[in-house]
Amino acid sequence: NAGVTQTPKFQVLKTGQSMTLQCAQDMNHNSMYWYRQDPGMGLRLIYYSASEGTTDKGEVPNGYNVSRLNKREFSLRLESAAPSQTSVYFCASSEESSYNSPLHFGNGTRLTVT
Amino acid sequence: GQQLNQSPQSMFIQEGEDVSMNCTSSSIFNTWLWYKQDPGEGPVLLIALYKAGELTSNGRLTAQFGITRKDSFLNISASIPSDVGIYFCAGQTPYNQGGKLIFGQGTELSVKP
Repeated sequence: NAGVTQTPKFQVLKTGQSMTLQCAQDMNHNSMYWYRQDPGMGLRLIYYSASEGTTDKGEVPNGYNVSRLNKREFSLRLESAAPSQTSVYFCASSEESSYNSPLHFGNGTRLTVT
Repeated sequence: GQQLNQSPQSMFIQEGEDVSMNCTSSSIFNTWLWYKQDPGEGPVLLIALYKAGELTSNGRLTAQFGITRKDSFLNISASIPSDVGIYFCAGQTPYNQGGKLIFGQGTELSVKP
């Protein structure tokens, strides 16, 4: 059982370039999330999708867009990358967006913007 | 917005020692979760707490949901080298405050054999 799969694992971009981070889950979960992890700041929510067809902003959405392509897949797009977006990005999923549905995380995408 | 203060930021201990870390907030939470992140991987859920005052164990791990709903602690007994990693607390806000999951800054644990 793969769980939550993220691609790519590593990426280096130049300022202004665009890219899409891919995420897929095989647990039939309804809710999916994108977080970024920066040293000393824990995990901060960028966007989430409570169910297929819906997306909502999290704590730090500026500079990002998302697409819930279907129930399995949730992608994160950087239209014009900036050095401040250098971070480790984690996708997560849960059965539903409620307090008794813990998150299951992928292994992360390490992004460097030069 | 809501913030969690997790302490300590890092710990260096000897194998066999007990470890304690905690999270506090000025806001109340409905759920407390503790995650562990191994190097190069995503966080994995260790313990979930759903009720104020709840004390839950998972092997050598014990966590408690504070009675005020504003804090939680995680204890690890008799540490071993594979306990190395970053431990995160996370609290879920009440539904009338968005039901969001807020993460602490993490506690990085190093265990010396």
